[in-house]
Amino acid sequence: NAGVTQTPKFRVLKTGQSMTLLCAQDMNHEYMYWYRQDPGMGLRLIHYSVGEGTTAKGEVPDGYNVSRLKKQNFLLGLESAAPSQTSVYFCASSVRPGQGALSGYNEQFFGPGTRLTVL
Amino acid sequence: GNSVTQMEGPVTLSEEAFLTINCTYTATGYPSLFWYVQYPGEGLQLLLKATKADDKGSNKGFEATYRKETTSFHLEKGSVQVSDSAVYFCALSAGFQKLVFGTGTRLLVSP
Repeated sequence: NAGVTQTPKFRVLKTGQSMTLLCAQDMNHEYMYWYRQDPGMGLRLIHYSVGEGTTAKGEVPDGYNVSRLKKQNFLLGLESAAPSQTSVYFCASSVRPGQGALSGYNEQFFGPGTRLTVL
Repeated sequence: GNSVTQMEGPVTLSEEAFLTINCTYTATGYPSLFWYVQYPGEGLQLLLKATKADDKGSNKGFEATYRKETTSFHLEKGSVQVSDSAVYFCALSAGFQKLVFGTGTRLLVSP
């Protein structure tokens, strides 16, 4: 199993350009998440999805859109990139709460990250 | 709301030294607690976890005990190695799956 993969690994954009980050998981997980990681701020949740066709806002959703058309894929879009969106983006996935050996909480599995620079 | 506070880094140690990274939390109900590790250039990996008070999570020589009375989940290791150099994140999960992360603590271990 590849686990969680992210494409691309690096990207440089100019202000106002758009792009899509792709996350794919092969663990048949119901839940998927997008985080951004900034120095001194840890990881902050951008958007998440509890299943195919459903998405919800996280802590810092402004300027981003997401789609979950297939269970294994979770796309993060930037329609008009801004320098404030320079960050490292991580995707994660997990089973539905209540499943697995330990119900009530579940481990999130992270991808390797995408480093995005907006000039 | 839920939050996690970690000691600021970097923490600089010599090989074989004892490690403690402090983590305290604020949460409603009974959260699950986690330590994640991020090695240079990689994503986060779960290091250990605890789901209820007095549980001890352990992995790769690292330990952390869920202390409800002090709302803490401090990470410890008796003898660190150069290969332990990484950023360590404390996190909690309360209710729905969402994880709340601390700001991370960088550990630097020198030979």
